[in-house]
Amino acid sequence: GAGVSQSPSNKVTEKGKDVELRCDPISGHTALYWYRQSLGQGLEFLIYFQGNSAPDKSGLPSDRFSAERTGGSVSTLTIQRTQQEDSAVYLCASSARGGNTEAFFGQGTRLTVV
Amino acid sequence: AQTVTQSQPEMSVQEAETVTLSCTYDTSESDYYLFWYKQPPSRQMILVIRQEAYKQQNATENRFSVNFQKAAKSFSLKISDSQLGDAAMYFCAYRSPRGGSSGSARQLTFGSGTQLTVLP
Repeated sequence: GAGVSQSPSNKVTEKGKDVELRCDPISGHTALYWYRQSLGQGLEFLIYFQGNSAPDKSGLPSDRFSAERTGGSVSTLTIQRTQQEDSAVYLCASSARGGNTEAFFGQGTRLTVV
Repeated sequence: AQTVTQSQPEMSVQEAETVTLSCTYDTSESDYYLFWYKQPPSRQMILVIRQEAYKQQNATENRFSVNFQKAAKSFSLKISDSQLGDAAMYFCAYRSPRGGSSGSARQLTFGSGTQLTVLP
C-alpha cells in the first residue's frame, strides 16, 4: 500500500484478555516505531525496530507488552492480560534510513478495555 | 535521555492572523533533528516541517516557519495567515542522528502537544 496501515482501527476487549495490533509499514522502510497516545496526551514511545538490529524495547511499560517484526516488514504489538489503563490509541510509524527522514504514521488502533 | 517540552497545552488564533507555538528540548548532543507534526481529529500524524541542527538557517514551508535557537534549545513554530484547516494538535519531536550518546536507538521523542484552535 501507499501508506502505513494499521489494523484493526478500533478494538474493544474485556479486561484480562490478550490483544494483537498489527502494523504494515511502507515498503522498503527499515525503521518501525510503536507509540501509545492516551486521551489528549502526547506520544509515549514503546518500541523501535531498525533493520536487523535488536529492537529498542526501553519504552514498553510492562512485561505484558511485547512486539515483533517478521521479515523486516509487518509488526505485531501484543498486550497480554489487558488492563483498563491500557486503553489508548496505539500508533505505528515507519521511516527510511537517515536521521532527517520523515516518519510516516498510520491512523492508529483505538483500544478500549472494558 | 532527551526530553521535549511544550509548555502551551492550548492556543487559539484568529483566522488570517499569526500564531507561534513553543517547544524546548534537552540534549547533550550537538547534532540532531527536530520536527513539527500536526495531528487533526482524524488521528493522522502529518509532518509540517523539519530542521537539522547543523543548519543555522531556519526552515520554512509555505506559511509555516521555525525559529531555531540552538544555544537556547528552543524550536518554535510560526504559522502565518492561519486557516481553519490548521486547527489540530501540534507536536514537537526530537531525533538523534544515530544511536545517540547513551546508546539508545534513534527513536523520535515527542512533546505533550499543543491544541491549536482557529477562530473564524
